[in-house]
Amino acid sequence: QVQLQQWGAGLLKPSETLSLTCAVYGGSFSGYYWSWIRQPPGKGLEWIGEINHSGSTNYNPSLKSRVTISVDTSKNQFSLKLSSVTAADTAVYYCARGRMFRVDCSSTSCPPDVWGKGTTVTVSS
Amino acid sequence: QSVLTQPPSASGTPGQRVTISCSGSSSNIGSNTVNWYQQLPGTAPKLLIYSNNQRPSGVPDRFSGSKSGTSASLAISGLQSEDEADYYCAAWDDSLNGHVVFGGGTKLTVL
Repeated sequence: QVQLQQWGAGLLKPSETLSLTCAVYGGSFSGYYWSWIRQPPGKGLEWIGEINHSGSTNYNPSLKSRVTISVDTSKNQFSLKLSSVTAADTAVYYCARGRMFRVDCSSTSCPPDVWGKGTTVTVSS
Repeated sequence: QSVLTQPPSASGTPGQRVTISCSGSSSNIGSNTVNWYQQLPGTAPKLLIYSNNQRPSGVPDRFSGSKSGTSASLAISGLQSEDEADYYCAAWDDSLNGHVVFGGGTKLTVL
């Protein structure tokens, strides 16, 4: 049974870079894309992006200029960096297992299925 | 503004059947499968329905999903107090190299 454990700094100042890491335990790491999603206080879910074991990424077009997702296959971990943060980036950040590698989303589930517990990130001066 | 449109709220009494809608477009729901999630306060979303109408192991059969064209629905029958939660739909969107889109969420209240 796959489990995701995430960690990272919870309090940032404006203009700093958010950095989070997620470790994957159990299941296949190379067979999936691995995702980051965030949820501002009292608001809905926003997909940030995904990465596979070979480092291929897809990002939310609205965040693409500030987001970098990387992978460390030796540790079954993936990481999120979000630069130049502002108060609007205050949210709970979740890591999650995304779509299987090389699947057709018209016939197979592609949004995330297994989620980490979330990390609260606050941006304040 | 979310790409997928859900009603902000829904309600029902114990034992009732409630449905939550999710409207999208040809590039997301119209082309790809839909997932539904349940989020209890202070917790991570939990997968409720995947591939339009499939339930993961452990999800009661009171929960069902359907899709038609560019819309999807989640139905909850035999409503229980513990079903009070936020519900989100999601789908892959084929535009702009592909990405996941979510609905804005529906707050379900059990009266």
